Amino acid sequence: DGGITQSPKYLFRKEGQNVTLSCEQNLNHDAMYWYRQDPGQGLRLIYYSQIVNDFQKGDIAEGYSVSREKKESFPLTVTSAQKNPTAFYLCASKRQDQETQYFGPGTRLLVL
Amino acid sequence: QKEVEQNSGPLSVPEGAIASLNCTYSDRGSQSFFWYRQYSGKSPELIMSIYSNGDKEDGRFTAQLNKASQYVSLLIRDSQPSDSATYLCAVNPFTGNQFYFGTGTSLTVIP
Repeated sequence: DGGITQSPKYLFRKEGQNVTLSCEQNLNHDAMYWYRQDPGQGLRLIYYSQIVNDFQKGDIAEGYSVSREKKESFPLTVTSAQKNPTAFYLCASKRQDQETQYFGPGTRLLVL
Repeated sequence: QKEVEQNSGPLSVPEGAIASLNCTYSDRGSQSFFWYRQYSGKSPELIMSIYSNGDKEDGRFTAQLNKASQYVSLLIRDSQPSDSATYLCAVNPFTGNQFYFGTGTSLTVIP
């Protein structure tokens, strides 16, 4: 059963804590993306990666970090430097020779 | 200036009517255009992609692209209550691998 999985579905962060959101895909897609969605602001790009061991900052990378050690996996860490992390986080992927992005189910991050 | 702009709505149409959703973009070199549907609390799902000027039809959905006017629209014919969702316009500019999304238009189809 192919697709993009994100875990957990809900995540609670305490102040000063780093948390990591998981994104895995078995579609053999080359590029992977992390977006943040806030009410009324649409999707904003945090980071993206076109190949293993390489990634680029998006428009709102401050306070976040990523790694791309495997083609299938693109975890996002929300660090304590991100002062307003409450949002819906979406992972997406696409084939390098195609234009269409496909999204995972999302992780909702809440601050305690 | 925002890269991609959409009327946030809400847009309400009666069941069976045509819903018209509009999107403008700022990068004249943009090559790829997408419409996603997003139900409340869920992730976006692709409805249509369009790359050339003109109309592209898929079932009840028609995407229209006018690159000269930097305008892309989505028409939903015979609107159903199940079409009630937020519709996101996305653009992939020529210069990079980064997609830009509009803030979305909320559509409600009234039975």
